[in-house]
Amino acid sequence: DTGVSQDPRHKITKRGQNVTFRCDPISEHNRLYWYRQTLGQGPEFLTYFQNEAQLEKSRLLSDRFSAERPKGSFSTLEIQRTEQGDSAMYLCASSSDSGGDTQYFGPGTRLTVL
Amino acid sequence: AQSVSQHNHHVILSEAASLELGCNYSYGGTVNLFWYVQYPGQHLQLLLKYFSGDPLVKGIKGFEAEFIKSKFSFNLRKPSVQWSDTAEYFCAVNRPPGTYKYIFGTGTRLKVLA
Repeated sequence: DTGVSQDPRHKITKRGQNVTFRCDPISEHNRLYWYRQTLGQGPEFLTYFQNEAQLEKSRLLSDRFSAERPKGSFSTLEIQRTEQGDSAMYLCASSSDSGGDTQYFGPGTRLTVL
Repeated sequence: AQSVSQHNHHVILSEAASLELGCNYSYGGTVNLFWYVQYPGQHLQLLLKYFSGDPLVKGIKGFEAEFIKSKFSFNLRKPSVQWSDTAEYFCAVNRPPGTYKYIFGTGTRLKVLA
């Protein structure tokens, strides 16, 4: 069990550019979650997948955001036309029914939009 | 609005002092409750969780929490803190099977003075 991994760990981009983040969950975890955390706040839910199906999306996930989990394993989160307000830590977590649905978090990707 | 409240945003204690961090939630019905810790430079780690049964749950590193349903509370306690407990602590709630996403509180930043 190598834990949840995320890549890249840091991303600096200019406003208007597109960025894509990757998350590799714990093997055989069927649920995968994306959260966003800004300074001084707790993580806020963005979206989650059960296997390859995206089952829930937050209102925070504007049409510039898209997430995929094509084979039910790793997931990508893409932000198009980034804005300065997108600067945050993007966290991925995974869970399974056998684990009582306890979520295990990755180290996050810190996005800075200049 | 449904939410999770952590009233103590910053707490400073001396080593060996007792700790209690408050967490209140506003959801009715069955909930799962969690406390996560984030040490400086590290990712979120599970401290303890409550799904059902004994309302007093014990977690790692000497932490415990008590679920009081009538007060919608899940306070975190530790009888004697150590310098190494310096971290940010987050309370979270989810309500499966309707939704598996976590709702987090804003976090409590604890500093323990040696």
